Amino acid sequence: QVQLVQSGAEVSKPGTSVKVSCKASGYTFTGDYMHWVRQAPGQGLEWMGRINPRSGDTDYSRKFQGRVTMTRDTSISTAYLELSGLRSDDAAVYYCARSPSGNFDFWGQGTLVTVSS
Amino acid sequence: LPVLTQPPSASALLGASIKLTCTLSSEHSTYTIDWYRQRPGTPPQYIMRVNSDGSHTKGDGIPDRFMGSSSGADRYLTLSNLQSDDEADYHCGETHTIAGQVGVVFGGGTKLTVL
Repeated sequence: QVQLVQSGAEVSKPGTSVKVSCKASGYTFTGDYMHWVRQAPGQGLEWMGRINPRSGDTDYSRKFQGRVTMTRDTSISTAYLELSGLRSDDAAVYYCARSPSGNFDFWGQGTLVTVSS
Repeated sequence: LPVLTQPPSASALLGASIKLTCTLSSEHSTYTIDWYRQRPGTPPQYIMRVNSDGSHTKGDGIPDRFMGSSSGADRYLTLSNLQSDDEADYHCGETHTIAGQVGVVFGGGTKLTVL
């Protein structure tokens, strides 16, 4: 069965970077886009961008351009999200989600990122 | 860019039906949207895709009491025979490519309370 398992919670200082991983199993990793979506406490969902695991090509939300980097390692079926220049309003749960055709059919369990000095 | 609008809250009695609404911005009224359910403390779960003609495609394991429909710029998710574990946040989302730029937009979500 399809599973997306994310790395554990992170506490990062303002101005630094955080990197979250998402390990996929149960399907062909290079066959579907992987997206990253975040959710601030008590708020809705916010799309950050996507990566084509086969080619490594990325599309980022304009809001995060310049601060976000999405990469992948096909040898271990893992996608990564790195967000730099962390601010207090970046505190959120970050999700990876598989997208076979525009919808998000499987989601990781989420990674809580806390930004605190 | 498309804007999706959802009422922040809704409620209905156990065993009743409820129709949740996601409204597209008028210039994007023909767009397809996806519905997701998010129970507290868990990631969103895909429910279905709803097209502008009202046709819909459900995700795996979604029961028959979940139905999708459309009217103009409105996309609906109707839940029948409400159960206690239907109490959750319901999000609509939309994926587009405009001027060669891919983007995804979500509505603000509707918190459903089952009384």
